[in-house]
Amino acid sequence: NAGVTQTPKFQVLKTGQSMTLQCAQDMNHNSMYWYRQDPGMGLRLIYYSASEGTTDKGEVPNGYNVSRLNKREFSLRLESAAPSQTSVYFCASGRLFQRGANSNQPQHFGDGTRLSIL
Amino acid sequence: DAKTTQPNSMESNEEEPVHLPCNHSTISGTDYIHWYRQLPSQGPEYVIHGLTSNVNNRMASLAIAEDRKSSTLILHRATLRDAAVYYCILRDGGRTGGSYIPTFGRGTSLIVHP
Repeated sequence: NAGVTQTPKFQVLKTGQSMTLQCAQDMNHNSMYWYRQDPGMGLRLIYYSASEGTTDKGEVPNGYNVSRLNKREFSLRLESAAPSQTSVYFCASGRLFQRGANSNQPQHFGDGTRLSIL
Repeated sequence: DAKTTQPNSMESNEEEPVHLPCNHSTISGTDYIHWYRQLPSQGPEYVIHGLTSNVNNRMASLAIAEDRKSSTLILHRATLRDAAVYYCILRDGGRTGGSYIPTFGRGTSLIVHP
C-alpha cells in the first residue's frame, strides 16, 4: 500500500541552488497537488494538476515550477532556492471532481519533504 | 469560498470522548464538510466527510447541525494516537468539472493526556 511516495524526505540546499522534489502515486488518481507547510501554519497550495498534461497555479506559486510527467508522477522544481522556501512540502493525489459522481473521494498525502535552505 | 473557524487547541484525557467544533456560517448548499487530521511529522489523513446527515465510520463520527452552519467531529474514546491537528474543510460539490482544491487553515491541535 504505497499510496503517495515523496522523495527525498530531507534536503538541505544553499541559496541559489536548484532541486526537484519528486512525487508518485499508485492509486490511478487524476488530480495531484503540491502544498507547503510552514511552522505552526496550515497547508498552502502551490500548484495542482487536475489531469495528466495540465497544471495550474495555487495560492503560492512564485518561485516554483511543476511538471506532470505522467498520470503517476508530479514533480516540483525550485529553480533558485531562497531561504523563504524553507518548509515542509507535501504532495497529494485525489480523484478529479465530476458532477453526479461519487466525487467526495479524500485526498491522499505523502509523508512530506523537509527542505531547509541556508 | 466559504470559511471555517476552529479553536486553536483542545485538551482531553485518554479514553474520554472528544468533541471538536467547526463553524462554517457561510456554507453553501453544495458544500460537503470534510475532516482531516495531521499526526506529528506526517501528512494529513482523511477522517470523515458529510453533507447533511450525521456520519459514522471506524475513526470518528460527524455531527452536522440542522442549519449546516456548524459541525462537530466526535472521537468516542480518545487515545494518545489521536493527538494531532484536526482540520475542518469545506468542499464544493456543485461544480461542473474542475478539481477539488481544499483550503487548510490552522486547524485544532488536540492534546490527549494519559
